[in-house]
Amino acid sequence: EPEVTQTPSHQVTQMGQEVILRCVPISNHLYFYWYRQILGQKVEFLVSFYNNEISEKSEIFDDQFSVERPDGSNFTLKIRSTKLEDSAMYFCASTQDSGANVLTFGAGSRLTVL
Amino acid sequence: DQQVKQNSPSLSVQEGRISILNCDYTNSMFDYFLWYKKYPAEGPTFLISISSIKDKNEDGRFTVFLNKSAKHLSLHIVPSQPGDSAVYFCAASRRTGNQFYFGTGTSLTVIP
Repeated sequence: EPEVTQTPSHQVTQMGQEVILRCVPISNHLYFYWYRQILGQKVEFLVSFYNNEISEKSEIFDDQFSVERPDGSNFTLKIRSTKLEDSAMYFCASTQDSGANVLTFGAGSRLTVL
Repeated sequence: DQQVKQNSPSLSVQEGRISILNCDYTNSMFDYFLWYKKYPAEGPTFLISISSIKDKNEDGRFTVFLNKSAKHLSLHIVPSQPGDSAVYFCAASRRTGNQFYFGTGTSLTVIP
């Protein structure tokens, strides 16, 4: 069964450092997402991406965050200058179409900012 | 602004009995709802969905009920099995949008 793959599974970084989280969505999917879950809290929407541009973003997704699809397969989330509160599980997801479709999630990347 | 709420953080059920997980939403524009199951150290996996044109959708042991007037949905698992022990998230979206809103999750423990 096709799956969304994420790397790294766990990254530890110092506050102020740049972090790039990588995702390979399912090959025939067109919509890509990043969500995060701070420990003990809800899964929060960060950004959606379609046709090589951001289609929606939340208030969390400020200027410190950026997304990119550098080639035909990878979808990356960059945090320019990490803060302690960026520590969370980051989930990449993809779907074939928008709206009434199923999001398929990756296993997540745990980011720990010290 | 929490548009999707799961007010029970945890639930324990005896094996073989029914598990009922509840979810409320505030945005009347939502017209598509999903339930996801999440095991520790894994991403959420899709379980079952329902469109707002229906009030019930069944898939094996899992049934989702939607009450649009109450803005409430529930997931029934019958019979519950120990392997069902996980965190369950409900999610909502609009067909015309591409953002999915998630609840905080309910941790289900099925006791053998």
